[in-house]
Amino acid sequence: IQLTQSPSSLSASVGDSVTITCRASQGISSYLAWYQQKPGKAPKLLIRSASTLESGVPSRFSGSGSGTDFTLTISSLQPEDFATYYCQQLNSFPRTFGQGTKVEIK
Amino acid sequence: EVQLVESGGGLVQPGGSLRLSCAASGFTFSIYWMHWVRQAPGKGLEWVSHIESDVSRTDYADSVKGRFTISRDNAKNTVYLQMNSLRAEDTAVYYCATGKPGGLDYWGQGTLVTVSS
Repeated sequence: IQLTQSPSSLSASVGDSVTITCRASQGISSYLAWYQQKPGKAPKLLIRSASTLESGVPSRFSGSGSGTDFTLTISSLQPEDFATYYCQQLNSFPRTFGQGTKVEIK
Repeated sequence: EVQLVESGGGLVQPGGSLRLSCAASGFTFSIYWMHWVRQAPGKGLEWVSHIESDVSRTDYADSVKGRFTISRDNAKNTVYLQMNSLRAEDTAVYYCATGKPGGLDYWGQGTLVTVSS
């Protein structure tokens, strides 16, 4: 299963709302996770099962979708949110990742 | 506190072998599936392999199938990745990771593997 994220990168300002999409090449129900990665650090799980926010993750992050189309929304971008975001499908093996979306400061 | 600590990375020549280890603590290791994920310099994440809790099933990315072998020792709370016939394109930071169904909650700090002559 291939995952295609869009856009590959985006520039935004603090306070902006941003949306990242992840499209699967075939249906994966709700078996999708979103991760945040900062330079030199391991990825951090933000959302599991397409829309379940992990404990401790700010509520400005939200996920939606099922089947083949998914979105990650950050409702009011904060300075600490500038990072690269990845989706991962957990429907079948191999557990593929999207190519990533880099969120940069405008 | 959950901890995953990888070791065993380093510089190896093309065609060589390396064995990575990931020591786990802070959770009941024997009931969790374990994964290896890698990241080439400046690139995205690539899932590499997984092993089920009772070692009944393993899976691999096509890019490493037949060259890499994942194993675990539940008595030592450790998962391994034996990497043979290494290629330049295997150069990456290798992370071990685990979690509840639906996502990888816990990650190690990663170990760098460099394949170069």
